[in-house]
Amino acid sequence: AQKITQTQPGMFVQEKEAVTLDCTYDTSDPSYGLFWYKQPSSGEMIFLIYQGSYDQQNATEGRYSLNFQKARKSANLVISASQLGDSAMYFCAMREGKGGTSYGKLTFGQGTILTVHP
Amino acid sequence: DTGVSQDPRHKITKRGQNVTFRCDPISEHNRLYWYRQTLGQGPEFLTYFQNEAQLEKSRLLSDRFSAERPKGSFSTLEIQRTEQGDSAMYLCASSLGRGAQYFGPGTRLLVL
Repeated sequence: AQKITQTQPGMFVQEKEAVTLDCTYDTSDPSYGLFWYKQPSSGEMIFLIYQGSYDQQNATEGRYSLNFQKARKSANLVISASQLGDSAMYFCAMREGKGGTSYGKLTFGQGTILTVHP
Repeated sequence: DTGVSQDPRHKITKRGQNVTFRCDPISEHNRLYWYRQTLGQGPEFLTYFQNEAQLEKSRLLSDRFSAERPKGSFSTLEIQRTEQGDSAMYLCASSLGRGAQYFGPGTRLLVL
C-alpha cells in the first residue's frame, strides 16, 4: 500500500485565490511527521511546512497552512492568495517515528503540479 | 547561512563508468540523507548518516552504490559501473536531528 497518496496529478488556480492540495497517508506508527515541499522547475526541493502527529494545532507558515485531520489520515496543504511564483510541483512526505524501521527517511508522494493563472 | 550544496550539478557519463557526487550539508546539521528522483516521481530514499555513521540503507542501494561521510561533514555517493537505469536526479538533504530536511540543488546524472 502507498504510504503517501496525492490524488491530484495537476491543479489550476487563479492568482490571488486559495487552493488546497490533497495528501493522505498510511502508518501504524503513533509518532510521525508530515511535510510539504515545493519543487520549482529548477529542481530544488524547498521545505514549506511541518506537522507532527502529536501537534494539537494545525501548522501555519505565512501563506501556507496544513489542514491536519488525524482520524482521516489526511494532511492537506492550503495555499492562500496564490501567486504566479507558486507554480511548481508540490510533494507531501512522511517521516515515521521511532517505532518504525524508517526513523530518519522521508517517504514522498507522487506530487501535484500546481499552475497559477494570472 | 549557506544551504546544502552539491557538486557537480550535472554529470554525463558512459555506461560502465564510475561516478562520484559530493554533498556539503548545512554546517551545524548532524544528519545527511541521499535520495534519488526520476522524472515525474517523488524522491526515493537511498541512505542516511548521523554524523559519520551510516544508519540506514534502502534496498534501492545496490552493491554498485556506496556512500561515505568520513568526518561527519561532507558526504560522497559513488556509483560504480553505471547503467542507463541510474540516470536520475540525486538529491542530498541535511537536518538537525529530527528537524526538517533541507535539500540541495541536486546532481542530474545521465548515463549514455
